[in-house]
Amino acid sequence: DGGITQSPKYLFRKEGQNVTLSCEQNLNHDAMYWYRQDPGQGLRLIYYSQIVNDFQKGDIAEGYSVSREKKESFPLTVTSAQKNPTAFYLCASSYATGYNEQFFGPGTRLTVL
Amino acid sequence: RKEVEQDPGPFNVPEGATVAFNCTYSNSASQSFFWYRQDCRKEPKLLMSVYSSGNEDGRFTAQLNRASQYISLLIRDSKLSDSATYLCVVLSAGDSSYKLIFGSGTRLLVRP
Repeated sequence: DGGITQSPKYLFRKEGQNVTLSCEQNLNHDAMYWYRQDPGQGLRLIYYSQIVNDFQKGDIAEGYSVSREKKESFPLTVTSAQKNPTAFYLCASSYATGYNEQFFGPGTRLTVL
Repeated sequence: RKEVEQDPGPFNVPEGATVAFNCTYSNSASQSFFWYRQDCRKEPKLLMSVYSSGNEDGRFTAQLNRASQYISLLIRDSKLSDSATYLCVVLSAGDSSYKLIFGSGTRLLVRP
């Protein structure tokens, strides 16, 4: 069964701690993305990667970091520098950037206490 | 001004009703247009692409007006299962790649 998985579904962390969100896809897609969604708002792009070992900042990259060492994996680290980390984080992938459809993972709800 | 603007709703309609959502976008160079559906606390999923000539998929009809920078989605014969948030999405060219710009969504509630 092809798809995108994110783990964990819910995550609680104390303020000041770094946390890494997992995203894995077995769709053989080159491009991967991380979005953040806050209540009543659209998705905002954090980082994206067009190919392995390459990634670009999105619109709200401050306080986040990523890596793309494998085609299948694009983990996101929420650092203590991110001022409002509590949000719904969505990972997506597509054949390439600019492709019509992005396939989304089920998301991770991060709550920082 | 937001790049993609939608009426947040909610639109509360009875089963069987016809409902229309509108969306405007600010970048006249935008390439492609889509409607995604997002159920409560779930990930967005592509509902349909929007073509210049307008397109229909069953009970759903999408229209694009490039001159007015306006996109619409019409749902006929609403079902309870249509209750969701509908996201207007625009593909725009960035510095080195394309990216999707998401509206904040229009919430639809279909009641029995």
